[in-house]
Amino acid sequence: NAGVTQTPKFRILKIGQSMTLQCTQDMNHNYMYWYRQDPGMGLKLIYYSVGAGITDKGEVPNGYNVSRSTTEDFPLRLELAAPSQTSVYFCASSFPGGTEAFFGQGTRLTVV
Amino acid sequence: GENVEQHPSTLSVQEGDSAVIKCTYSDSASNYFPWYKQELGKRPQLIIDIRSNVGEKKDQRIAVTLNKTAKHFSLHITETQPEDSAVYFCAASTRSNAGNMLTFGGGTRLMVKP
Repeated sequence: NAGVTQTPKFRILKIGQSMTLQCTQDMNHNYMYWYRQDPGMGLKLIYYSVGAGITDKGEVPNGYNVSRSTTEDFPLRLELAAPSQTSVYFCASSFPGGTEAFFGQGTRLTVV
Repeated sequence: GENVEQHPSTLSVQEGDSAVIKCTYSDSASNYFPWYKQELGKRPQLIIDIRSNVGEKKDQRIAVTLNKTAKHFSLHITETQPEDSAVYFCAASTRSNAGNMLTFGGGTRLMVKP
């Protein structure tokens, strides 16, 4: 049981490049989330999904896109990377109804 | 939407002392309040949670209290140890159009001095 797995762990992007952060979970959780954590700051919700085919914006969605074609996978797409997107990105998953969210190990992204 | 505020942002205590971290939330419909611990360079991990139908919950040296009327909840750590040093996040779970979502506080960096 791997839990929530994110790839890659580290990435350096040049301004204007695009990339996809991968997230997969093997706990059959309905809910999946993407958060970003800027240095010394809290976690801000980018997008979330309550099931395959259903996604919704969180607090800071601009510059990102998501899709949820399966229960297991919830990739986050960055188009036209900007220095303001330098952050640590965490994927998380949970059962519905207000329950514990399990986090992946994070992806440290630097945009230069 | 929900707004969760957390205080203090940093807290330094002597080993063996108690530490208290407080959070307030804005949405009276919030019904689930977890606390996460994040060690340096690691992922956040749940340490304790409480639901809106309970006023207090305890697990060994940690406890959480909830005041629904005042819309605030607190984390209490007794007999602190150096390994308690970490960043602690509170969160509130609220219903949105699509379902439940967690809103996090800004975090508290706890330093326990030996």
